Amino acid sequence: ETGVTQTPRHLVMGMTNKKSLKCEQHLGHNAMYWYKQSAKKPLELMFVYSLEERVENNSVPSRFSPECPNSSHLFLHLHTLQPEDSALYLCASSQETGDYEQYFGPGTRLTVT
Amino acid sequence: AQSVTQLDSQVPVFEEAPVELRCNYSSSVSVYLFWYVQYPNQGLQLLLKYLSGSTLVKGINGFEAEFNKSQTSFHLRKPSVHISDTAEYFCAVSEYQGAQKLVFGQGTRLTINP
Repeated sequence: ETGVTQTPRHLVMGMTNKKSLKCEQHLGHNAMYWYKQSAKKPLELMFVYSLEERVENNSVPSRFSPECPNSSHLFLHLHTLQPEDSALYLCASSQETGDYEQYFGPGTRLTVT
Repeated sequence: AQSVTQLDSQVPVFEEAPVELRCNYSSSVSVYLFWYVQYPNQGLQLLLKYLSGSTLVKGINGFEAEFNKSQTSFHLRKPSVHISDTAEYFCAVSEYQGAQKLVFGQGTRLTINP
């Protein structure tokens, strides 16, 4: 049990749909992250929130919209996605200071049809 | 900009044999280094990390890694592998304190054969 949960674990959506991915951390951390993991590509950092403020937006298309309502929850809102957006989306959390370890959730496997 | 190169995309090893997974990084400043493991259908789990101090770092599950600043390497080793070590291994580097910006390598798939 990593202390970071993600829902749903699997999601299939059409290109015109709107859906949201949810991440919740139970570790008392104050930084949260979204990563994209595609086959045969390195993990790509998408967004970073520190103390509920977005501090990093790694040139991610606007069809991905993050939301961090508090330090325990992180959402990724999806709309008008493309088939190439199919991937495993991983959420992570960490403490701003301390051991610098990021704790990962199990991921949401997204398929865009 | 920092980058990470994992030199082997796949490493097959027989059970109880030693293994080394190679990682080289590029950065203009001091870095923090990490190895993560990903088992099938799971997220990433930290194996070990180098922040400062001793260059030989010991982690979970019998793994260790050595930071070599002159060769900009952080290779992962285990003296005797087990079937349960079959997984994907990722090397990562961070230059930034606070909310980390981790840069990952492409991963090495370790397959243990009986």
